[in-house]
Amino acid sequence: AQKVTQAQTEISVVEKEDVTLDCVYETRDTTYYLFWYKQPPSGELVFLIRRNSFDEQNEISGRYSWNFQKSTSSFNFTITASQVVDSAVYFCALSGTQGGSEKLVFGKGTKLTVNP
Amino acid sequence: GAGVSQTPSNKVTEKGKYVELRCDPISGHTALYWYRQSLGQGPEFLIYFQGTGAADDSGLPNDRFFAVRPEGSVSTLKIQRTERGDSAVYLCASSPGLVETQYFGPGTRLLVL
Repeated sequence: AQKVTQAQTEISVVEKEDVTLDCVYETRDTTYYLFWYKQPPSGELVFLIRRNSFDEQNEISGRYSWNFQKSTSSFNFTITASQVVDSAVYFCALSGTQGGSEKLVFGKGTKLTVNP
Repeated sequence: GAGVSQTPSNKVTEKGKYVELRCDPISGHTALYWYRQSLGQGPEFLIYFQGTGAADDSGLPNDRFFAVRPEGSVSTLKIQRTERGDSAVYLCASSPGLVETQYFGPGTRLLVL
């Protein structure tokens, strides 16, 4: 069975602080995909990143960076110099590649509040 | 281009009634997914389609829930004899094919009184 754990339920920071959102996953698939989505107060899930299990290179996109460590089954997300507009619920998700496993399995989300 | 659209955005119904929720995927996307999100939780998978056929309906909670995609584009999620516990946000997503990134619509917020 696949499982995603986001242990941090809520995080509150002050603007310009760096913040890391943790994600730990479980899967028996040898090939799988990991995702992060952002859900602002408006409610729509916004895609941020997709990584496959064979690509452990860290990725940076502007103020966002992702650290994928297969050895610890983690895919953490860091926001550098946070801004008020980063306030949202962030979801980590996992999908497999075996038949019938294309569905996304989500964690419970981390609510990030960035205060001015 | 246009994203995934869902109608209605909000639906209030009474216990026992029948409801239909519609999803219009991104043009050209062959895979379509339905999820349900309860308050304070992550989305949970219900069903997905590849083309017209339901490839995996293992997430449908019971036989009151049914979904169709007759022409391989628009999909309708149907809920019979609604119960208060069905209240949630129903999310639809589409992707260009299997094992590709899923793009989500704004959701339909269903409230069963």
